[in-house]
Amino acid sequence: DIQMTQSPSSLSASVGDRVIITCRASQSIGKYLNWYQQKPGKAPKLLISAASTLQSGVPSGFSGSGSETDFTLTISNLQPEDYATYYCQQTYSIPRTFGQGTKVEIK
Amino acid sequence: QVQLVESGGGLVKPGGSLRLSCAASGFTFSDSYMSWVRQAPGKGLEWLSYISGSGITIFYADSVTGRFTISRDNARNTLFLQMNSLRAEDTAVYYCAKEHSDYYNIRSFDYWGQGTLVTVSS
Repeated sequence: DIQMTQSPSSLSASVGDRVIITCRASQSIGKYLNWYQQKPGKAPKLLISAASTLQSGVPSGFSGSGSETDFTLTISNLQPEDYATYYCQQTYSIPRTFGQGTKVEIK
Repeated sequence: QVQLVESGGGLVKPGGSLRLSCAASGFTFSDSYMSWVRQAPGKGLEWLSYISGSGITIFYADSVTGRFTISRDNARNTLFLQMNSLRAEDTAVYYCAKEHSDYYNIRSFDYWGQGTLVTVSS
């Protein structure tokens, strides 16, 4: 199975900050990498697919980059509604594994 | 608009069974791969299974192989997850998710249901 490791597991940031979350795959997955946002009590929401494709309706402050084993999710100019937990996921192979999540909290 | 509505969760004793349903609307269900994902209380996301649009291609995570069965009824636009031999560690919110494939055949889960809670306890 491909293991997905996110860092950090949690972070505290202020409104307006730039936040970077990294995701590392245990083997090369090309661009088969997605990012999801989950708020408490809600279902995950797809933010970015194929490593860097921003989904319709997602604010342009979100961006993704990377390929093969190393990926990043960047939130520029953190907004109050961005406080949530973020997950990466690989769909290169079965099982479709998720990272353990990164919780973004208010500083 | 796309809607996925899960149902069938509840309290069940260890060793018991439960069948989850996911009613889909707003898209061509029979053309879409569908997945089940769960989230134990306070934990992360765990992919469980997917099924192709035709129902021919099915895969499971090791944690549920032999105990859970995914199926679909394209005439009723409904996805199912039959869960047998349930254990305490199966306690979680269970989500169904629609898979999307882009031009390069890179898949993502573009729509999710609201989830249904399964509690396994005596």
